[in-house]
Amino acid sequence: SQQGEEDPQALSIQEGENATMNCSYKTSINNLQWYRQNSGRGLVHLILIRSNEREKHSGRLRVTLDTSKKSSSLLITASRAADTASYFCVRRQGAQKLVFGQGTRLTINP
Amino acid sequence: DAGVIQSPRHEVTEMGQEVTLRCKPISGHDYLFWYRQTMMRGLELLIYFNNNVPIDDSGMPEDRFSAKMPNASFSTLKIQPSEPRDSAVYFCASRTGGGGGEQYFGPGTRLTVT
Repeated sequence: SQQGEEDPQALSIQEGENATMNCSYKTSINNLQWYRQNSGRGLVHLILIRSNEREKHSGRLRVTLDTSKKSSSLLITASRAADTASYFCVRRQGAQKLVFGQGTRLTINP
Repeated sequence: DAGVIQSPRHEVTEMGQEVTLRCKPISGHDYLFWYRQTMMRGLELLIYFNNNVPIDDSGMPEDRFSAKMPNASFSTLKIQPSEPRDSAVYFCASRTGGGGGEQYFGPGTRLTVT
């Protein structure tokens, strides 16, 4: 079952615009991870934010975490066609298991 | 590093046949994971190994599925006999023992059972 719920399920924007994806989860976490999956490819780890962090940056990516609301967001600034992919919010369950949401399908239009 | 390697990339087989999927993890990684991805159920963990030992196979759907890791550089996922509902993309991932839990995924094997 999916424990991370991404919102929206699909997002279509123009190249150059910013894209924001949200994630909610139900149980306490040590960290939250975001992964990207290009069509027909494997998943790629983007960024990890720990429970004691509120914001983290990596290049054009910005992730926020609000543990009181059990929510996180991923912002991609100045989007490019190559950002077209599905984005997954992932939490760790137990020592090693990762639990994936259904993902947000992001389409960047030229 | 070549990353996680999976073979074959595509497999089409008939119902009842045996299917074997293969994975080579990143060298030095202690953990290996097998996932299945479908439109209906999303990405599901099937089984994972630590230092070649199966730790949690609670996600394996039924006895038709089995996985082995005979050494640190090779793992197989076998389905015998295969059924049409096994059609999915199967991913292998690996990671080190430290860090925050980031996993490195292979390109996947797209399995179609007719």
